[in-house]
Amino acid sequence: AQKVTQAQTEISVVEKEDVTLDCVYETRDTTYYLFWYKQPPSGELVFLIRRNSFDEQNEISGRYSWNFQKSTSSFNFTITASQVVDSAVYFCALSDLTDSWGKLQFGAGTQVVVTP
Amino acid sequence: DTGVSQDPRHKITKRGQNVTFRCDPISEHNRLYWYRQTLGQGPEFLTYFQNEAQLEKSRLLSDRFSAERPKGSFSTLEIQRTEQGDSAMYLCASTLGGEQYFGPGTRLTVT
Repeated sequence: AQKVTQAQTEISVVEKEDVTLDCVYETRDTTYYLFWYKQPPSGELVFLIRRNSFDEQNEISGRYSWNFQKSTSSFNFTITASQVVDSAVYFCALSDLTDSWGKLQFGAGTQVVVTP
Repeated sequence: DTGVSQDPRHKITKRGQNVTFRCDPISEHNRLYWYRQTLGQGPEFLTYFQNEAQLEKSRLLSDRFSAERPKGSFSTLEIQRTEQGDSAMYLCASTLGGEQYFGPGTRLTVT
């Protein structure tokens, strides 16, 4: 069965600090996708990134970067030079072929609080 | 902006009443998902449509829950005889097969 673990419940940082969110996943499939979503206080889930299991290249997008390591089944997310607008709950999610294509299994989320 | 929309945004109902939520996906998206999110948790999968066909239902979806997508466009989720445990945020998402785009959700409170 697939499972996503986000061990950090809440992280508090001061603006301009870097913050890294951990995500560990379990799946029996060799083909799968990993995602990160942001849920600001308004409540709407915002897509951030999708990576497939065959592409372990790290990715950077502005202040966001992702570190995918199959050897440790981890897909960690770093926000560099955090800003107050980064305050949100961040979810890691997994989609594989075990049950049906596309269904997302989410972690419990990590609340990020950025204070000025 | 023609993102995913959901209606209503908030619904308060008394236990035992029926409620129906609507989701309008992004127009060209053939796949539509319903999720439920309770406080402090990540969304949990409820059901999935490809066009008008409902292809999977979670064990979370009891007999009191039914979902439709009659013409492969909008979808409805109905809960009959609501219970307090049904209080949650109900999220709809759509996709063409890649990342899923979520609507703002319908927050249900059962009193």
